[in-house]
Amino acid sequence: DGGITQSPKYLFRKEGQNVTLSCEQNLNHDAMYWYRQDPGQGLRLIYYSQIVNDFQKGDIAEGYSVSREKKESFPLTVTSAQKNPTAFYLCASREITGRSNTGELFFGEGSRLTVL
Amino acid sequence: AQSVTQLDSQVPVFEEAPVELRCNYSSSVSVYLFWYVQYPNQGLQLLLKYLSGSTLVKGINGFEAEFNKSQTSFHLRKPSVHISDTAEYFCAVTVGYNFNKFYFGSGTKLNVKP
Repeated sequence: DGGITQSPKYLFRKEGQNVTLSCEQNLNHDAMYWYRQDPGQGLRLIYYSQIVNDFQKGDIAEGYSVSREKKESFPLTVTSAQKNPTAFYLCASREITGRSNTGELFFGEGSRLTVL
Repeated sequence: AQSVTQLDSQVPVFEEAPVELRCNYSSSVSVYLFWYVQYPNQGLQLLLKYLSGSTLVKGINGFEAEFNKSQTSFHLRKPSVHISDTAEYFCAVTVGYNFNKFYFGSGTKLNVKP
């Protein structure tokens, strides 16, 4: 079955440590996204990428970094510079070309990061 | 920038009763509208979407929504809810054909009581 796989689902880290969240998709989608979700605030865009080796900052990119070396992979690193990293992180993808562009985002199951 | 307002943060309702979850967006041309559902500790799942055509859109699980351009609204409705509909619902808007940026509302928690 096609879909988006995020790992790990739960992650605990000490303050000051960098952590990397994995996102892999086998939907052959061009665009991939990272969102942060906090209670009562909806989803906020961290980074997005429309093509391999290219990505753009979203609304809350400070303290985060990404890479897009392969079409199917878009890992997110939460660095020690992120002042409040405890949150639920969601990876998404969508097709952006031609008839396959149905518009919607497809989401992974999420990764919950807790910084102690 | 586009903004999306979900007026109710929580909606309690009894099983088999009708429900409406409200969503308003800031005015713009060429908007495309979506409703997603999220169960605890899971990702978001698409319920329905409006891209063009009929303003009444039907989705999965018996939900429907109506696009009202003059009132800049896209309210979600279900005539009879089930316990299994208990979840958080998000309205989202994107502008322009490229769909590059999605704007999400803050979510509405639907709590269906027996």
